Amino acid sequence: KNEVEQSPQNLTAQEGEFITINCSYSVGISALHWLQQHPGGGIVSLFMLSSGKKKHGRLIATINIQEKHSSLHITASHPRDSAVYICAVISPDSNYQLIWGAGTKLIIKP
Amino acid sequence: ETGVTQSPTHLIKTRGQQVTLRCSSQSGHNTVSWYQQALGQGPQFIFQYYREEENGRGNFPPRFSGLQFPNYSSELNVNALELDDSALYLCASSFLLAGGISSYNEQFFGPGTRLTVL
Repeated sequence: KNEVEQSPQNLTAQEGEFITINCSYSVGISALHWLQQHPGGGIVSLFMLSSGKKKHGRLIATINIQEKHSSLHITASHPRDSAVYICAVISPDSNYQLIWGAGTKLIIKP
Repeated sequence: ETGVTQSPTHLIKTRGQQVTLRCSSQSGHNTVSWYQQALGQGPQFIFQYYREEENGRGNFPPRFSGLQFPNYSSELNVNALELDDSALYLCASSFLLAGGISSYNEQFFGPGTRLTVL
């Protein structure tokens, strides 16, 4: 079992829909990263959080430390949101290096 | 504030050759991490350099080596290239506290270098 699990693996939705991507982890963490990667492109950090909720534009990230679960939400989704979204955790168990999820491939159709 | 830059953008090499990839860290950062991302896979941690010293290494053979310079820029060197080394190589810079450990360790990524080995 992977230490960081994301769901779903793939997600296709219509423009305007509310999107939720989930991340569960089994290790103790000090912080959790949500990152975005466009096809063939580099990685962009969206959020870094260790508790509660953060919002940036149409993106919202939440984390529940007790349940070891985080969600990334996209409101009013747009085709330019199409990308791979990756959850990665920072854990003392890995000497504070990132432990990566497998990513969720999101396609938003116009 | 200058972001993380990498060079070259794309590179084609043949099996057995050697390659050097470069990364300039974000202003104010003292740490560079390197990752290998094969097509359709998640990034795999290669190693991290903090204040010119290796500060952690993933499961990669010794033919993957690195350097960090006094200005905190970094190089990744790969010797005796193999076909499986074809991948996107990403570097990320961050600021670590004294001792090279940070429980927060927010990393900022460069655009990557696409290496193709023929």
